[in-house]
Amino acid sequence: QVQLQESGPGLVKPSETLSLTCTVSGGSVSSVSYYWSWIRQPPGKGLEWIGYVYYSGSTNYNPSLKSRVTMSVNTSKNQFSLKLSSVTAADTAVYYCARQYCSSTSCYFHYWGQGTLVTVSS
Amino acid sequence: QSVLTQPPSVSGAPGQRVTISCTGNSSNIGAGYDVHWYQQLPGTAPKLLIYGNSNRPSGVPDRLSGSKSGTSASLAITGLQAEDETVYFCQSYDSSLNTWVFGGGTKLTVL
Repeated sequence: QVQLQESGPGLVKPSETLSLTCTVSGGSVSSVSYYWSWIRQPPGKGLEWIGYVYYSGSTNYNPSLKSRVTMSVNTSKNQFSLKLSSVTAADTAVYYCARQYCSSTSCYFHYWGQGTLVTVSS
Repeated sequence: QSVLTQPPSVSGAPGQRVTISCTGNSSNIGAGYDVHWYQQLPGTAPKLLIYGNSNRPSGVPDRLSGSKSGTSASLAITGLQAEDETVYFCQSYDSSLNTWVFGGGTKLTVL
C-alpha cells in the first residue's frame, strides 16, 4: 500500500520561503507511471493544485503560482519537495502531497498524504 | 470562485438517493476532459471515489456512481447511510488555465 507523509515547518514568516518534503513508502518516486503532486487547501475552502514533479526532475506548475514555486525529487531518499517563496497570509493552508496518475484522457490523484497545516504569520 | 461549480450543500434521508452536480464549461468538462470525485472526511485527506467519470476504485461501494454529459457531471449516492455525511469534490482539467481544477465542494447531510 502506497503511503505519503508530509514534513516541514508549521509556521513560516511572511516574505520567507515555505519548504515541505513528502516521503513515499510502499512505492517508488522513480516509477515512470506517476507524477508527484502538491495540492493545498486553505482553512474551510476548496482544493488548489500547486504542481507536480516527475521522476526525471521535470516539473509542471499551476500558472497562478509558477513564479514562486520550485519542486524537486530525490530518488535516493524516495522523497519529493516543494518550495514556495515570498509567502503571505494567503498561503496559509493544509498542504497535501499526492501521487497523480495520468491516462490518455485525464489525470487524477489516487494516493494522498495526511496533510500538514502551514501557517504564515510573524 | 471555483472553476467547477458544485452546490454548497445537499441532503437526503437514510436510504434515499442523492445527486451532486459539477458544472464546468467548454474549457474543461465540455472539452472532453474526464471528471473525478473525492470524498473528504473532517480533518482527513480527500479520498478518490470515482475516476474517469464513472469508474470506482476497489473498495468503493457500488452505491456510488458517476456520470458525465456535456459540460456537467454528477455523483449519485443511493441507499444513503449516516457515514456518507461529509464533503465531496469534483476535479477535472482546464485547458484555458492549463491546470487541474477542483469544484468548491458539496456538504452532504443525512437527515
